[in-house]
Amino acid sequence: RKEVEQDPGPFNVPEGATVAFNCTYSNSASQSFFWYRQDCRKEPKLLMSVYSSGNEDGRFTAQLNRASQYISLLIRDSKLSDSATYLCVVNPFIVGSSNTGKLIFGQGTTLQVKP
Amino acid sequence: NAGVTQTPKFRVLKTGQSMTLLCAQDMNHEYMYWYRQDPGMGLRLIHYSVGEGTTAKGEVPDGYNVSRLKKQNFLLGLESAAPSQTSVYFCASEGGSYNEQFFGPGTRLTVL
Repeated sequence: RKEVEQDPGPFNVPEGATVAFNCTYSNSASQSFFWYRQDCRKEPKLLMSVYSSGNEDGRFTAQLNRASQYISLLIRDSKLSDSATYLCVVNPFIVGSSNTGKLIFGQGTTLQVKP
Repeated sequence: NAGVTQTPKFRVLKTGQSMTLLCAQDMNHEYMYWYRQDPGMGLRLIHYSVGEGTTAKGEVPDGYNVSRLKKQNFLLGLESAAPSQTSVYFCASEGGSYNEQFFGPGTRLTVL
């Protein structure tokens, strides 16, 4: 089983649609979770850190379910500019060793928003 | 603040040539990382550093060396380039409340 798994998509949605991405992780001791956005041929950019209680930033909502070991990202009222690859990222915490911040990246979910 | 910068942006090498990729950050971060990204694969960690003068191996360190002589700079070296090292290389530094990583714009390397 991969450490971080995402549905690669692509997700093709019309403008204004609501779309949700899920991501599962294998290490139950993981402490930090993030969603990054990556545009074609560009660097990943931090979209949101995922807090344990869930958090919202404008049209974006992130949820964490520790019991089921999955993270979700909800995008409401999709814009053309939301077209990108969304990376689920987990910071595993190994009990008994220092946390050096070695992030584990999912392969990404591609979103294409069409007019 | 420039954030994280990388030089060069593009490079073409012949097999066996050497080169150094430079990463610089102006955010006073202790931790820095080098990743490679290949089509259809996620980002893979090559080497990382938890502070000036320290480096450690990541997931795919073979064929690469690194140095962190100054806190703001993290260098990635290829001593004898191979076609398998054709990739996009990203540098990142880590900071923030939740240890977020911030990436440079990447270096696109082709080894012929």
